[in-house]
Amino acid sequence: ETAVFQTPNYHVTQVGNEVSFNCKQTLGHDTMYWYKQDSKKLLKIMFSYNNKQLIVNETVPRRFSPQSSDKAHLNLRIKSVEPEDSAVYLCASSRLGPQNTLYFGAGTRLSVL
Amino acid sequence: AQSVTQPDARVTVSEGASLQLRCKYSYSATPYLFWYVQYPRQGLQMLLKYYSGDPVVQGVNGFEAEFSKSDSSFHLRKASVHWSDSAVYFCAVRAGYNKLTFGKGTVLLVSP
Repeated sequence: ETAVFQTPNYHVTQVGNEVSFNCKQTLGHDTMYWYKQDSKKLLKIMFSYNNKQLIVNETVPRRFSPQSSDKAHLNLRIKSVEPEDSAVYLCASSRLGPQNTLYFGAGTRLSVL
Repeated sequence: AQSVTQPDARVTVSEGASLQLRCKYSYSATPYLFWYVQYPRQGLQMLLKYYSGDPVVQGVNGFEAEFSKSDSSFHLRKASVHWSDSAVYFCAVRAGYNKLTFGKGTVLLVSP
C-alpha cells in the first residue's frame, strides 16, 4: 500500500528550465528524504528533513533546493536543469532514529534534453 | 566512515534454486544493517534489518539474512526463489544518526 506519494511520475524538460517535484507522506513520520538514483541504479542521499528542519545536506549543486511546508511534505526544486540531472528522484520518509525503516515513493523520472 | 560493498552486480539463478546475495560493510562498531528490494518502476521496500540479537534475521517473502561480525558481512538468502523475486537488491548500513548508505545493488534475474 503506497503511503509516500510523488508527483509527477515522469518529467521531460530542456536544459536551463526549472522543475519542481512534490512528495507527500501519510505515515505520520517526522523525517523525510530525497535520494537521487542514476542510470546505474546508484542511490545517493541529497537532503534530509526532520520536522521541517534540514538535517542532512549532501554536496549537491546549488541549483537543487528542498522545500518543506510541513512534516508531511518535502518538495524538490531544480532551478536550471543540466543534462546530468537526468535520473530518478526518490522521496522517502521514516521516524527519526537509525533503526527505523525508510518508506519510499515510486520516484519521479526526470529526462533533460 | 561507514560503507557497504555488494560484490556481485548481477546474479542469475533458476526458479526453485537457493539464493545468496553478498554484502560486506565497513564500520568500527556494529551498525544498523538493512536489505531493501526495488522492483521495476517502483521505490525501495525493506526486506529485513538487523542491529543486535540473533544473527539470523527473518524478513518478508521467505528472505533471511545472517550477520557476521568477524566477517563484517550481512548476506541475504532465500531457500527457493520465484520468478517474481527478480529485482534489484540493495544492502544498506547506518551508523548512529548518520545517513543511510546504500550499496551499488545486485540485479537478480530468476530464469524459468
